[in-house]
Amino acid sequence: QVQLVESGGGVVQPGGSLRLSCAASGFTFSSYGMHWVRQAPGKGLEWVAFIRYDGSNKYYADSVKGRFTISRDNSKNTLYLQMNSLRAEDTAVYYCAKYLVVLYPTGAFDIWGQGTMVTVSS
Amino acid sequence: EIVLTQSPGTLSLSPGERATLSCRASQSVSSSYLAWYQQKPGQAPRLLIYGASSRATGIPDRFSGSGSGTDFTLTISRLEPEDFAVYYCQQYGSSPPSWTFGQGTKVEIK
Repeated sequence: QVQLVESGGGVVQPGGSLRLSCAASGFTFSSYGMHWVRQAPGKGLEWVAFIRYDGSNKYYADSVKGRFTISRDNSKNTLYLQMNSLRAEDTAVYYCAKYLVVLYPTGAFDIWGQGTMVTVSS
Repeated sequence: EIVLTQSPGTLSLSPGERATLSCRASQSVSSSYLAWYQQKPGQAPRLLIYGASSRATGIPDRFSGSGSGTDFTLTISRLEPEDFAVYYCQQYGSSPPSWTFGQGTKVEIK
């Protein structure tokens, strides 16, 4: 079935780095744009980054621009998020999500992973 | 940047009642790019509505979306026990490309 599985979360000190992975299965990964969305403990959802299906375009939230890098390996059906210069305010559950395209891009996320927790603390 | 404001913050209703959730945008949003999600504790969000009024795959018809411009509504016609959750609206803006969520509305059992 269609599935996204995140991994790579953990506890990291402020200023440190972490790389998250998202393994996709059950759909043609190379045909869809992909996102990272995060949720701080007890808070709402915040979009983090988007990458086009072929990796040709990438967009970031202002809060992570210059620190986070989204990438993908279509041969491995895997999405990544490299997080550098981490701050306490980056503490959150990080979800990967598939971009819904019907006859046109919808702006919506139709498939979500279960999330991986990132804690930035000394 | 477009800001989405959801109201009310919390809605206290009984099973069987009708729920009406509001999402107001700080400037006009294309209806094609307005979505609604449901999130239960400890779970990932689930897409309910995209394009302001199209139900996602497998979503029961008691969920409906409407609206245009700056005012959008999610309606749950008759609340089932499994519908008590937090609901988020979300929009896509193209210049530059960005995706924004509202702060959420919690639907709780009265």
